[in-house]
Amino acid sequence: DAGVIQSPRHEVTEMGQEVTLRCKPISGHNSLFWYRQTMMRGLELLIYFNNNVPIDDSGMPEDRFSAKMPNASFSTLKIQPSEPRDSAVYFCASSFPGNTIYFGEGSWLTVV
Amino acid sequence: SQQGEEDPQALSIQEGENATMNCSYKTSINNLQWYRQNSGRGLVHLILIRSNEREKHSGRLRVTLDTSKKSSSLLITASRAADTASYFCATDRDDKIIFGKGTRLHILP
Repeated sequence: DAGVIQSPRHEVTEMGQEVTLRCKPISGHNSLFWYRQTMMRGLELLIYFNNNVPIDDSGMPEDRFSAKMPNASFSTLKIQPSEPRDSAVYFCASSFPGNTIYFGEGSWLTVV
Repeated sequence: SQQGEEDPQALSIQEGENATMNCSYKTSINNLQWYRQNSGRGLVHLILIRSNEREKHSGRLRVTLDTSKKSSSLLITASRAADTASYFCATDRDDKIIFGKGTRLHILP
């Protein structure tokens, strides 16, 4: 298996632009997680899905952030409009519930 | 919200020595996992210990779990330069997996 695949790996965008991050979980996994990592806040859980349904989005910072999982093999995290404070590494991870979670290599976002 | 908290925040030891990192958490859990992150990379799973287990081994890694104290420890024996990384504990409660801020481990040659 190719593991969790995220794209883009790196993105630099201007403040106010829309950013879409993409994730392909490991085939068969039915839990998917989006995390954000910064030096100040560490690794924060933004949202997680079970069987494509959002279970807990309490970590989503504000209305500018949205996440979707239209099917079992694809998820997106969208930021609109983006701000410099959104600069971070965004990780997607997947698992079978209650088991090891596997991370992608992350999407490095810089908003200038 | 932070669930697991690792300590120390940073640790430097000589190659060949053992490294011990601790994790404390606040609420009951289903399991606890330890991860490693090399600079600029994603997190790599090391070991998972369930709430009904007290100790687990994997190669040079030994993890303990004390649910009465809500704490876990990760021991890396005979450390190597390649062990230099950040180490995180993650607690699983009702499938919500929360990470601590990690311990930065530096192995000195």
